[in-house]
Amino acid sequence: GESVGLHLPTLSVQEGDNSIINCAYSNSASDYFIWYKQESGKGPQFIIDIRSNMDKRQGQRVTVLLNKTVKHLSLQIAATQPGDSAVYFCAENRGSWGYQKVTFGTGTKLQVIP
Amino acid sequence: GAVVSQHPSWVICKSGTSVKIECRSLDFQATTMFWYRQFPKQSLMLMATSNEGSKATYEQGVEKDKFLINHASLTLSTLTVTSAHPEDSSFYICSAPRVAGYNEQFFGPGTRLTVL
Repeated sequence: GESVGLHLPTLSVQEGDNSIINCAYSNSASDYFIWYKQESGKGPQFIIDIRSNMDKRQGQRVTVLLNKTVKHLSLQIAATQPGDSAVYFCAENRGSWGYQKVTFGTGTKLQVIP
Repeated sequence: GAVVSQHPSWVICKSGTSVKIECRSLDFQATTMFWYRQFPKQSLMLMATSNEGSKATYEQGVEKDKFLINHASLTLSTLTVTSAHPEDSSFYICSAPRVAGYNEQFFGPGTRLTVL
C-alpha cells in the first residue's frame, strides 16, 4: 500500500556536525513533501517543504533533497545544535491544491551529543 | 505565524467516561481541520477530517460513534472520545491549513489522554 517510511529510527550526531535524515516513499503520485520536527510532548512543527517539480530546497540551516527516481527524500541539518534534538517526520501529500490529507512517515529520533 | 491551540493539554479520566478535546484556530478561519492520534514512539495517524458545517470524514478503521467530531464554527473543532477505555489513551493532535486548499498545516500542541 501507500506509505512513507524512514531508514533509521535513531540518529546520534555530535554538536556542530551535519545531520542527514532519510525518508523513502512508495507512492509515485506523491507530489508534495514536508518535513516536521516534533519535540517531546508537543505537536509537529513545520520545517521545510518541497514540491515534486524541484529536487532541492534550502532553508535556514536545513536543506531538503528529493530524488523522484528512487523515491527518496532527505533532510540535511547544518551545524546541528542541541535544540535540534527531536523526532523528525517526513510527510507526504498529493496535490498542492485541494488535497490536504497528510501521511506521516515513521519518524527518526535525532540525538545531539554536546 | 498561524496558531492552533488545543484544550485541555492533558486529561485523566476513568474508564467509561467521555472526554471532549477542543481545537481552535486562533488567528485564522479553518473550514477544515484534521485529527490525529499518536501512540508513544509512533507516528501520527490521521483519524478524521473535520469539516465546518458538515459531517466529519473518518479514516478506515476509526469508529465514528466512538470518536465524535463537531466542527460548529470556522475556528473550533471538537473531538469527543465516548466511553473511553485504557486503549484510547494516546496523544491527540489537531491541525488546520491556514489557507483553504493549501497544504501547509499548522498543528496544535496536542492533548495527552490517559484513561484509567
